Amino acid sequence: KAGVTQTPRYLIKTRGQQVTLSCSPISGHRSVSWYQQTPGQGLQFLFEYFSETQRNKGNFPGRFSGRQFSNSRSEMNVSTLELGDSALYLCASSVQGAGANVLTFGAGSRLTVL
Amino acid sequence: DQQVKQNSPSLSVQEGRISILNCDYTNSMFDYFLWYKKYPAEGPTFLISISSIKDKNEDGRFTVFLNKSAKHLSLHIVPSQPGDSAVYFCAASGQGGSEKLVFGKGTKLTVNP
Repeated sequence: KAGVTQTPRYLIKTRGQQVTLSCSPISGHRSVSWYQQTPGQGLQFLFEYFSETQRNKGNFPGRFSGRQFSNSRSEMNVSTLELGDSALYLCASSVQGAGANVLTFGAGSRLTVL
Repeated sequence: DQQVKQNSPSLSVQEGRISILNCDYTNSMFDYFLWYKKYPAEGPTFLISISSIKDKNEDGRFTVFLNKSAKHLSLHIVPSQPGDSAVYFCAASGQGGSEKLVFGKGTKLTVNP
């Protein structure tokens, strides 16, 4: 069974640019969540999508957005990049509901903003 | 304000001994707790979890203990193996099923042969 796939794995952008990251969840998983990992803040929740709808949102500015497609694949977008957006962006998928909360993470997309 | 805290950034133990990783939380609404392990260049992988209705959950070499009154949980690994060397994250969730996890900042465990 294929795991959670994130692309690209590494990318470098400059301040002011925008970036789009992609996530393909495990087959059959309908919930996709995004997290940002930085050395100072650890893993922080960005948002969660289920059935193409955003169900939960973390405390990030509006420059961070996402969407989910009908096949459960998800993308997140960061506009007007800032140096502080340099981080590892992790996508996780899960089978919806039942209180299991067990997320399966991808390897992440490491974004460097210069 | 950090709702889940892992106060030890690192821990070093000898192979074969017990590793104890600690985690404290402040939000009484959390009802589910998880531990994840992360190797460099990989995403976190789920290790073990515990519901707030329990005080202990065991899976092989891994045991998680929950003390609700102290808002404290711990992960015991026994015996520790060099392959256990990784960063361990404690996470918590509430609302009986939310996929929104609140993570601690992690503890880097090193198991020396």
